[in-house]
Amino acid sequence: SQKIEQNSEALNIQEGKTATLTCNYTNYSPAYLQWYRQDPGRGPVFLLLIRENEKEKRKERLKVTFDTTLKQSLFHITASQPADSATYLCALEGGATNKLIFGTGTLLAVQP
Amino acid sequence: GAVVSQHPSRVICKSGTSVKIECRSLDFQATTMFWYRQFPKQSLMLMATSNEGSKATYEQGVEKDKFLINHASLTLSTLTVTSAHPEDSSFYICSARAGNSNSPLHFGNGTRLTVT
Repeated sequence: SQKIEQNSEALNIQEGKTATLTCNYTNYSPAYLQWYRQDPGRGPVFLLLIRENEKEKRKERLKVTFDTTLKQSLFHITASQPADSATYLCALEGGATNKLIFGTGTLLAVQP
Repeated sequence: GAVVSQHPSRVICKSGTSVKIECRSLDFQATTMFWYRQFPKQSLMLMATSNEGSKATYEQGVEKDKFLINHASLTLSTLTVTSAHPEDSSFYICSARAGNSNSPLHFGNGTRLTVT
């Protein structure tokens, strides 16, 4: 069956450290993968999109990698800040209709 | 930037009544909008794809007669939860793309529905 899995355990890190979140998928062949941030009681906000032919994408303190052989994407936040605390969701296209299917999400808590 | 407005943000209704949720794209046209549902501490579950001028496409297990979707214009989609029951209590979020099919989704801020 198709699955998109992220670390179900919350990730607690110290301010200033690099946070690394994992997204693994099975039985999908996405042309691209996206990462979103969601704060409590709010809708997700788009962060980054990486295509299948891109190994890495950066935006300010964010970096995303995409390994289609491993069927995995890693999301890094460098020099993390308490304001980065949120749930981070990966998402990929689910078939020909271009609908977006979301992973389970990982809660990141950055301690001051 | 592309903004999606969702209304109401919170609604409490009695069991058996119907609730309508509106989703508007404020500064772009959206031929397709997506409706998601989210339970506490869980991820977003796609309910249906709303298509302007035609019938919505529902995901497996989602009752189309229960969750009525209307996409009457390029900037408005509505989701009506009919004959609501306490198990329908959830966080409903709409989204739309401002660009082509590969572009990111822009989300509304969600509607917290509580059915008593």
